[in-house]
Amino acid sequence: AQSVTQLDSQVPVFEEAPVELRCNYSSSVSVYLFWYVQYPNQGLQLLLKYLSGSTLVESINGFEAEFNKSQTSFHLRKPSVHISDTAEYFCAVSEAGSARQLTFGSGTQLTVLP
Amino acid sequence: KAGVTQTPRYLIKTRGQQVTLSCSPISGHRSVSWYQQTPGQGLQFLFEYFSETQRNKGNFPGRFSGRQFSNSRSEMNVSTLELGDSALYLCASSHPTGDTGELFFGEGSRLTVL
Repeated sequence: AQSVTQLDSQVPVFEEAPVELRCNYSSSVSVYLFWYVQYPNQGLQLLLKYLSGSTLVESINGFEAEFNKSQTSFHLRKPSVHISDTAEYFCAVSEAGSARQLTFGSGTQLTVLP
Repeated sequence: KAGVTQTPRYLIKTRGQQVTLSCSPISGHRSVSWYQQTPGQGLQFLFEYFSETQRNKGNFPGRFSGRQFSNSRSEMNVSTLELGDSALYLCASSHPTGDTGELFFGEGSRLTVL
């Protein structure tokens, strides 16, 4: 079984400042890792994923995350946030090869302030 | 192409009643998963269907059930509703070929139990 810990439930940050949302996972088997974003009154959208290969993965809107196996972490970063990045962000893990059953973290509410 | 469609979007029921939620996956997607989202428990996996067969099941009581039809549409049913069943129920579909790790979520059905 896997588990995910998102250490910060709320992260306020000013516009154009950098941000890091932390995620740690626990698993006895190889894993896939994901970040999903949820805007108010909407479902979840995949932001980025790590399946294998390069440990640094990037999204099209400037977010990146790095898989660190030794620290069992998959922190999400963005060098400069925008108001439109305000949303709830969920880290998720699945057993490698079985990505349809995800275990989610409790979520981090990112609020970008003007 | 159309996304994942869930109906109804909002509904109110009373304790003891039952409810059926519907999910139409993206065309061509044969895997459908269901998740329950609550403020207290976060996102929890309910079950996953593929080609009309339940492949995985989360840790929920037997009051929660589901099924999938030959056209990949899925329904979930909750019987003998309890106050704690109030939640956003999210359906997700995924591509049938390969395990890309991406789930496409609908906007959810928000159930309120009074």
